[in-house]
Amino acid sequence: EAGVAQSPRYKIIEKRQSVAFWCNPISGHATLYWYQQILGQGPKLLIQFQNNGVVDDSQLPKDRFSAERLKGVDSTLKIQPAKLEDSAVYLCASSPWAGDEKLFFGSGTQLSVL
Amino acid sequence: AQSVTQLDSHVSVSEGTPVLLRCNYSSSYSPSLFWYVQHPNKGLQLLLKYTSAATLVKGINGFEAEFKKSETSFHLTKPSAHMSDAAEYFCVVSDPTGNQFYFGTGTSLTVIP
Repeated sequence: EAGVAQSPRYKIIEKRQSVAFWCNPISGHATLYWYQQILGQGPKLLIQFQNNGVVDDSQLPKDRFSAERLKGVDSTLKIQPAKLEDSAVYLCASSPWAGDEKLFFGSGTQLSVL
Repeated sequence: AQSVTQLDSHVSVSEGTPVLLRCNYSSSYSPSLFWYVQHPNKGLQLLLKYTSAATLVKGINGFEAEFKKSETSFHLTKPSAHMSDAAEYFCVVSDPTGNQFYFGTGTSLTVIP
C-alpha cells in the first residue's frame, strides 16, 4: 500500500515570497489533515478536510495560508506571503474516515524562510 | 479541553536497558491516547493506542504503555532499548469525535551503544 506522498521535501524561500506544498493521501482515505511542526514542538493542526469539504480550519492563519482539496483526493497548502515564523515542517496526514483515530503521515515538507 | 504533557524533552539510555518515556494527560472525558514515533526524515508512525479497553496496551517494536486514570498518565515503556529506537516520540490525545488530535512537545530518545 502506497503511503502519504508529499512534495517538495525541502523548500527555502525569502520572506514575503509565496510557496505551495502538495499532498496525495493514501488511496480511499476520506480525511486529510495539514499540520505545522515548528522545531522543538509537537505538530499543530492547521486544517482538516473530509472529502473536499473543510471540517476544521480554526487554527489556519487565513490572512496568509490557504488550502484546498478540490476533488477530494490530493491537496495543496499555500502560504502567501511567507513570514520568518512560518519556518517549520508541514505534515500531511490521512485517515480512512473522520473519527478513525489512526493517522497515516507523510514525510513532510521542511520550509525555511530567510 | 484536552492536552498532553511530555515530562522529558530528552531521554538517553544505554542499549539493552529499559526505556521510560513519560506522558501526563488532561481531559474532561474518557480519553483516547496514542504514542507516535518519528524517525529522522520519516513520517510519524503510530506505535500504539488506548481506547478504553485494556489499560495495558501493547504496540509495535516491543513498546507498551499503561493507562493510569488515578495518575492521569500514559507512560511508554520498553524492556530493552535497541539502537533503532532512537527517534522522537509524541504522546497524543484525541477529542471525543476522534477528529482532533493534540500532540505533546515530544521526547527525543537517544540510545547509547
